[in-house]
Amino acid sequence: EAGVVQSPRYKIIEKKQPVAFWCNPISGHNTLYWYLQNLGQGPELLIRYENEEAVDDSQLPKDRFSAERLKGVDSTLKIQPAELGDSAVYLCASSFWGQRGCLQEQFFGPGTRLTVL
Amino acid sequence: QQQVKQSPQSLIVQKGGISIINCAYENTAFDYFPWYQQFPGKGPALLIAIRPDVSEKKEGRFTISFNKSAKQFSLHIMDSQPGDSATYFCAASKGYGNKLVFGAGTILRVKS
Repeated sequence: EAGVVQSPRYKIIEKKQPVAFWCNPISGHNTLYWYLQNLGQGPELLIRYENEEAVDDSQLPKDRFSAERLKGVDSTLKIQPAELGDSAVYLCASSFWGQRGCLQEQFFGPGTRLTVL
Repeated sequence: QQQVKQSPQSLIVQKGGISIINCAYENTAFDYFPWYQQFPGKGPALLIAIRPDVSEKKEGRFTISFNKSAKQFSLHIMDSQPGDSATYFCAASKGYGNKLVFGAGTILRVKS
């Protein structure tokens, strides 16, 4: 079974440029998460989707970050314009609802490492 | 606000020894406590998890000990192997698939 796929794996841009990250979750997983992982820190949730709906985006800096999951499968996270402090790893994770109506464990992708110069 | 505090930041253990990593949480509403293992260039992978209705869970060489009254939980890796060298994160959430709040991580190195 294929895991969570993310691309690109690495991205280097200059500050003030836009950047986008793509995530393809595990087939059948209707819950998708974007996390930010700074160097030497644990991941922090940016946004969580249930199908197409963003159910928790309280930690997403909406002045420069946006995300979409148009058909409830793939998702894109965008930063415009990027700042030096955005350099980090952006992780995507997915999960699904089990038979008892409970969300199951989160499976993480390898992440996209962003460097802003 | 750091809701999950993890220690130590780094740990060096001899092959065959016991690795112990500790975490403390603040939010009593948390009811799911997983540990994740992360290798360089990879995403975190679930290692073992516990709910607060039990005080210990063991899977192979990995054991979680949970102290609800102290709001602490720990990961024990028995017979540590060089292949266990990775970064370990504790986490907590309200509900199984909800937002995970991670600790800062512990870099484990097992010397052969």
